[in-house]
Amino acid sequence: KAGVTQTPRYLIKTRGQQVTLSCSPISGHRSVSWYQQTPGQGLQFLFEYFSETQRNKGNFPGRFSGRQFSNSRSEMNVSTLELGDSALYLCASSSTWSSYEQYFGPGTRLTVT
Amino acid sequence: DAKTTQPPSMDCAEGRAANLPCNHSTISGNEYVYWYRQIHSQGPQYIIHGLKNNETNEMASLIITEDRKSSTLILPHATLRDTAVYYCIVRGAGSYQLTFGKGTKLSVIP
Repeated sequence: KAGVTQTPRYLIKTRGQQVTLSCSPISGHRSVSWYQQTPGQGLQFLFEYFSETQRNKGNFPGRFSGRQFSNSRSEMNVSTLELGDSALYLCASSSTWSSYEQYFGPGTRLTVT
Repeated sequence: DAKTTQPPSMDCAEGRAANLPCNHSTISGNEYVYWYRQIHSQGPQYIIHGLKNNETNEMASLIITEDRKSSTLILPHATLRDTAVYYCIVRGAGSYQLTFGKGTKLSVIP
């Protein structure tokens, strides 16, 4: 069974731009969670989607948004990029929402210059 | 969710057991202990979880003290591939997210 895939793997953007990251969960999984990982703050929860609905949200500004499609694929969008948004963005899928066992993808490394 | 405390780093000789401690002295009765690890440049990987009984799977064993204020993750025969950051996470049944701390960087030495 294929794992979680994230595209692109690496991205360089300029301050003020916006970016969209994509995540395809494991086949059959309906929940997708997004995390941001930085050296200073570690891994921080962004939000979780299940059956196309946002179920939970972390403490991030409204510039961070996401959505989930009917095939469970998810996208995350960051608008008006800031230098501090440079991070590894990780997507995790699970079979149900709020599951303890999440399967993480390799992440998208975003660099904002 | 209760806070966890882990040593920042540990070394372990290849082939020996790696014992990674975690302190969670404020854990409440309905909170589970989860362990994940993150190998360099990869996403975190689920290892094991438990409530109050000791647990074992093909990857590791989890020993939780009787008062549940601490736990130990045991990798019985550490290999170089086990070099990673190990995260101990406490999460209640009513909580919806995994809150990762700083973790323990385990280095397995040949």
